[in-house]
Amino acid sequence: EIVLTQSPGTLSLSPGERATLSCRASQSLDSNYLTWYQQKPGQAPKRLICGTFIRATGTPDRFSGSGSGTDFTLTISRLEPEDFAVYYCQYYGGPCSFGQGTKLEIK
Amino acid sequence: QVTLKESGPVLVKPTETLTLTCTVSGFSLSNDKVGVGWIRQPPGKALEWLAHIFSNDETSYNTSLKTRLTLSKDTSRGQVALTMTNMDPLDTATYFCARIYRSKYDFDFWGQGTLVTVSS
Repeated sequence: EIVLTQSPGTLSLSPGERATLSCRASQSLDSNYLTWYQQKPGQAPKRLICGTFIRATGTPDRFSGSGSGTDFTLTISRLEPEDFAVYYCQYYGGPCSFGQGTKLEIK
Repeated sequence: QVTLKESGPVLVKPTETLTLTCTVSGFSLSNDKVGVGWIRQPPGKALEWLAHIFSNDETSYNTSLKTRLTLSKDTSRGQVALTMTNMDPLDTATYFCARIYRSKYDFDFWGQGTLVTVSS
């Protein structure tokens, strides 16, 4: 079973800064099946990026995804106040796996 | 407009069986491009995938919970049910159902979630 490890656990940044979130897999992934979600307190997760780099409908273009093999990245180019949330990566390799999340907090 | 809504008990006792129902609208459970999955989240913790089911009754279960989980669907009613046996306080969590999109095997629409507490 594939294990996804996200880092850092918490990222403290200010609005306007660039955020780089990492998702590392225990084995090489098919990039078609790597997805990123955003979750705000008290809400369900929201799909942001699928297939490693494809923005979901409604995802602002300041969000971008990249990566291959075992290393994947979600980048937020210029943080807006509404971007402070928890972010999860997810992969389907037979069973589904979620990473443990990265909390993006205001510095 | 795609919506999903979870329903079921908010409190169950240890060793009891939990049954949750996900009622969907805006898409059909007979559509072979999509299915319904269940994901849970203990308070303050990460998401954990539990299981999913497609129109052809193809199912997949979390390996560590497989012996306790059963999925079923009623296509005519637009409902998917998750049954989890032998509930434990560690199963206290918000349980989400979500539509799984077959081409990417990811979850594109989510229900609001329902908090289930396991306590005597």
